[in-house]
Amino acid sequence: QVQLVQSGSELKKPGASVKVSCKASGYTFTSYAMNWVRQAPGQGLEWMGWINTNTGNPTYAQGFTGRFVFSLDTSVSTAYLQISSLKAEDTAVYYCARGEYSSSSADYWGQGTLVTVSS
Amino acid sequence: QSALTQPASVSGSPGQSITISCTGTSSDVGSYNLVSWYQQHPGKAPKLMIYEGSKRPSGVSNRFSGSKSGNTASLTISGLQAEDEADYYCCSYAGSSNWVFGGGTKLTVL
Repeated sequence: QVQLVQSGSELKKPGASVKVSCKASGYTFTSYAMNWVRQAPGQGLEWMGWINTNTGNPTYAQGFTGRFVFSLDTSVSTAYLQISSLKAEDTAVYYCARGEYSSSSADYWGQGTLVTVSS
Repeated sequence: QSALTQPASVSGSPGQSITISCTGTSSDVGSYNLVSWYQQHPGKAPKLMIYEGSKRPSGVSNRFSGSKSGNTASLTISGLQAEDEADYYCCSYAGSSNWVFGGGTKLTVL
């Protein structure tokens, strides 16, 4: 069965970096895109962007350029989200979500990774 | 890209039907039949309920249906059940490989 398993919670200080992993199983990794979605505490879902798992080409939503980087290791069917120069407002749950290239929907989601930024 | 507009909350009694609206613009909802809807229970990951405006993934109850008129998409839940109480989010393709979510609607089953 399709599974997306994300890395565990992180506690970081402002200015540090964090790398969240999302390991896929149960399907051909390169046949679907991988999206990243942020949910701040008590807030709604915010689409951060996606990465083409065939080409490695990322697309970033407005507001997620510069400090946010999507990457892949297709040899282990894993997608990564790296955030640098962390700020308190980056505190959120980050989800990876498998996306159909044609339908613009996310049919399977990881369990979420809580990133807390605090001094 | 502005978030799609959803009502903050809706409520209904068991067995009733409710509809959640999702208003966008001619650049997103109005231009593409690519609206999806997600259900999220507290502390859980979102779950896809509707894609491409009105299609249900395998395993999703046929009590959930989607539609669109102009720049507004809608999710209707018929025969409300207690387990339907959750947050619901719409999402639309917005061109240039971008998506946009709605602000979310809290559904309360009275």
